[in-house]
Amino acid sequence: AQSVTQLGSHVSVSEGALVLLRCNYSSSVPPYLFWYVQYPNQGLQLLLKYTSAATLVKGINGFEAEFKKSETSFHLTKPSAHMSDAAEYFCAAPTGAGSYQLTFGKGTKLSVIP
Amino acid sequence: DVKVTQSSRYLVKRTGEKVFLECVQDMDHENMFWYRQDPGLGLRLIYFSYDVKMKEKGDIPEGYSVSREKKERFSLILESASTNQTSMYLCASSPYSGGVSYNEQFFGPGTRLTVL
Repeated sequence: AQSVTQLGSHVSVSEGALVLLRCNYSSSVPPYLFWYVQYPNQGLQLLLKYTSAATLVKGINGFEAEFKKSETSFHLTKPSAHMSDAAEYFCAAPTGAGSYQLTFGKGTKLSVIP
Repeated sequence: DVKVTQSSRYLVKRTGEKVFLECVQDMDHENMFWYRQDPGLGLRLIYFSYDVKMKEKGDIPEGYSVSREKKERFSLILESASTNQTSMYLCASSPYSGGVSYNEQFFGPGTRLTVL
């Protein structure tokens, strides 16, 4: 069964610093991967998705993620953090081949320090 | 844009009450899901439905039931609410494309349920 691991339940960065949120998955079949963002008291919003077209995926708000099959990783990065990036971020992968379900990581809460 | 709406943003109920959480999507999606979200536990799947009148248990179905009488609407029912069901409930939908389910899910704003 698929498992998705996000390293670090809380990450703090200074405004303007690099953001790096880590995600590792256990199975790449099928090779679809997602990052979602959740702002306080809201639902999840898709940030970006990997669908095998390109290993470097660009998303909204300046975020990007790189699919590395050899490392089973899909880390999320942003070159320069903004105060508005403070939110919780979730990595997700299909639960299994042909599955309608997604398996989510436990989330990483990002704080941005002015 | 896909829109998923949930009937209430905040709900307060008493122990033992029957609670209905409604979810409606406007993009003709085949799949619909109910999750609960708790701090440190992430999202846990309660039930999902891949077609009208079809349902499948997720990881934590105990204490819950669901209903999908129309394609656009998926209801979560707490038969007898208990304090340990205090949580954020999120509804989502996703399309089914050809022989492969694309899996991208679209979420509603959530319902924060408090059971006293």
